[in-house]
Amino acid sequence: QSALTQPASVSGSPGQSITISCTGTSSDVGSYNLVSWYQQHPGKAPKLMIYEVSKRPSGVSNRFSGSKSGNTASLTISGLQAEDEADYYCCSYAGSSTRGRVFGGGTKLTVL
Amino acid sequence: EVQLVESGGGLVQPGRSLRLSCAASGFTFDDYAMHWVRQAPGKGLEWVSGISWNSGSIGYADSVKGRFTISRDNAKNSLYLQMNSLRAEDTALYYCAKSKGSGVAATADYWGQGTLVTVSS
Repeated sequence: QSALTQPASVSGSPGQSITISCTGTSSDVGSYNLVSWYQQHPGKAPKLMIYEVSKRPSGVSNRFSGSKSGNTASLTISGLQAEDEADYYCCSYAGSSTRGRVFGGGTKLTVL
Repeated sequence: EVQLVESGGGLVQPGRSLRLSCAASGFTFDDYAMHWVRQAPGKGLEWVSGISWNSGSIGYADSVKGRFTISRDNAKNSLYLQMNSLRAEDTALYYCAKSKGSGVAATADYWGQGTLVTVSS
């Protein structure tokens, strides 16, 4: 069982918007603005899409946005495109070097 | 361009040891913390271990604590993971990842392509 809870799957049609939730606890998501989101296509390494809750790395489309409320973080993808179909993982700092970082179980995004 | 190249994976029997390496280039290695993250076949990501820029702060997942040791050699731009007492559940693709900052709390921003470790008799 993963430390952070994500829905197993979400889907949307091209052009639509979807939101993926990531629920943790007051010891991780709720305590730190250090939530990140990764996109992973089959057979590929994860790619950083959002860091520190809502910041986008250079080169990532502004269709991707992040937010947080309490112990739940969210990734929103607007204007869905076929190439957005992938697995998405949230990750949070967990408060000490001995616990480190915790991941969600991943969400499979299907673009219909 | 940031490049991370993992090596050292392979087939190993339960109880044996393996040492993974990660060769880094394209950035000032000793400015950044580094991490190992693994992914079992068909499963999600699991953080394994992280090390700060100067090895002063190190952390491990509970699942590997006492069996795995992370280290780095800044002179060689290299990251290592010594894995002892391997178990079947350690079977996974092991990724080396660079942090955005010098401490282990910083987000992993670049990842290698991974090296596969299979623990089986």
